[in-house]
Amino acid sequence: KNQVEQSPQSLIILEGKNCTLQCNYTVSPFSNLRWYKQDTGRGPVSLTIMTFSENTKSNGRYTATLDADTKQSSLHITASQLSDSASYICVVRDSNYQLIWGAGTKLIIKP
Amino acid sequence: EPEVTQTPSHQVTQMGQEVILRCVPISNHLYFYWYRQILGQKVEFLVSFYNNEISEKSEIFDDQFSVERPDGSNFTLKIRSTKLEDSAMYFCASRADPNYGYTFGSGTRLTVV
Repeated sequence: KNQVEQSPQSLIILEGKNCTLQCNYTVSPFSNLRWYKQDTGRGPVSLTIMTFSENTKSNGRYTATLDADTKQSSLHITASQLSDSASYICVVRDSNYQLIWGAGTKLIIKP
Repeated sequence: EPEVTQTPSHQVTQMGQEVILRCVPISNHLYFYWYRQILGQKVEFLVSFYNNEISEKSEIFDDQFSVERPDGSNFTLKIRSTKLEDSAMYFCASRADPNYGYTFGSGTRLTVV
């Protein structure tokens, strides 16, 4: 069964610190993997989209990695800011254009 | 930057009533979607729409639901005879091409009482 699992479920860190969020998937056939940021009560906003051949992609302080062999991805946030507090959702698309959503990691940045 | 606009931002309705959630996708986008997210749960796919017809729908999207593109700009989701369990955030999304990323609206919070 196609699944996307994220860890941790929630994370609290101090402002200015770095953190890494994990995503494991069993989706096959794989097309691409996306990381979204979702502020409370808002729609998801795309951070990165990675295809099979891409290992790393950055968007400002966000860096996503992808290991298609182990079916793992991570999202690293550098020098966290209070505005980074949100849910971060990993979404995998299969080659039939189906999106399989993770449950998200709820990140809280404390001053 | 172009946005997907959803109205209203919050709708409260009585059980059994019909509601219409409205979306204005990005003007040059051709593919439209509705998703929902029950509080604290994963985003769930409801339906995709292309070329004035439904291209795919999930098990959730039963006869209670319908979508329409009444004119060149709006894309609506109608929920008939609402139930308590329909309470959720409903997100509209659009994109220009299946190989492009989605742009999501800010959502409509539907509360059924």
